[in-house]
Amino acid sequence: NAGVTQTPKFQVLKTGQSMTLQCAQDMNHNSMYWYRQDPGMGLRLIYYSASEGTTDKGEVPNGYNVSRLNKREFSLRLESAAPSQTSVYFCASSEFLRGPEDEKLFFGSGTQLSVL
Amino acid sequence: LAKTTQPISMDSYEGQEVNITCSHNNIATNDYITWYQQFPSQGPRFIIQGYKTKVTNEVASLFIPADRKSSTLSLPRVSLSDTAVYYCLVWSGGYQKVTFGTGTKLQVIP
Repeated sequence: NAGVTQTPKFQVLKTGQSMTLQCAQDMNHNSMYWYRQDPGMGLRLIYYSASEGTTDKGEVPNGYNVSRLNKREFSLRLESAAPSQTSVYFCASSEFLRGPEDEKLFFGSGTQLSVL
Repeated sequence: LAKTTQPISMDSYEGQEVNITCSHNNIATNDYITWYQQFPSQGPRFIIQGYKTKVTNEVASLFIPADRKSSTLSLPRVSLSDTAVYYCLVWSGGYQKVTFGTGTKLQVIP
């Protein structure tokens, strides 16, 4: 059981290049999330998808787009990368069953992105 | 959303019990208290959650006083492998509403 899988693990881009970060989960979770983590800033939510076919902006969505391809996959796209997007990106998933007492976030191992 | 306050960092020697306190003065009736642990170069992972009194699992204990305005994560007899950042969250469902702060960076010293 792999949990949440992110690819790639590392990526270096030049300013203006585009790329897509891939995320897949095998836990049949409805909700998926993309976070970025910068030194001293904690985790900040970029976008989330409460269920297949829906996506919503989080705290820091500018410069990003997302696609919930199916229940398993949630991708994050940088159309024109900027140095300010240098960060570690984490994908996560969760399932709301009976209530908050059941819901836990499961994270992938992250993608370290550098934009030069 | 309830705001949480926790120490930025803590040091502890191996074998000691570590208590990390989180303040959440404006916690709502429906809110749960949840702690996550993040090792270097990894995503955070859930360690414990509670609503009131005490919760214990194989990793940690969580103490919540009656007024629920604070909570304490207790790690028994820490080892070097417990060096990590610990996040305290207060929420009532739907992680899209949750803010991860900077957490408490625990350094375990040999």
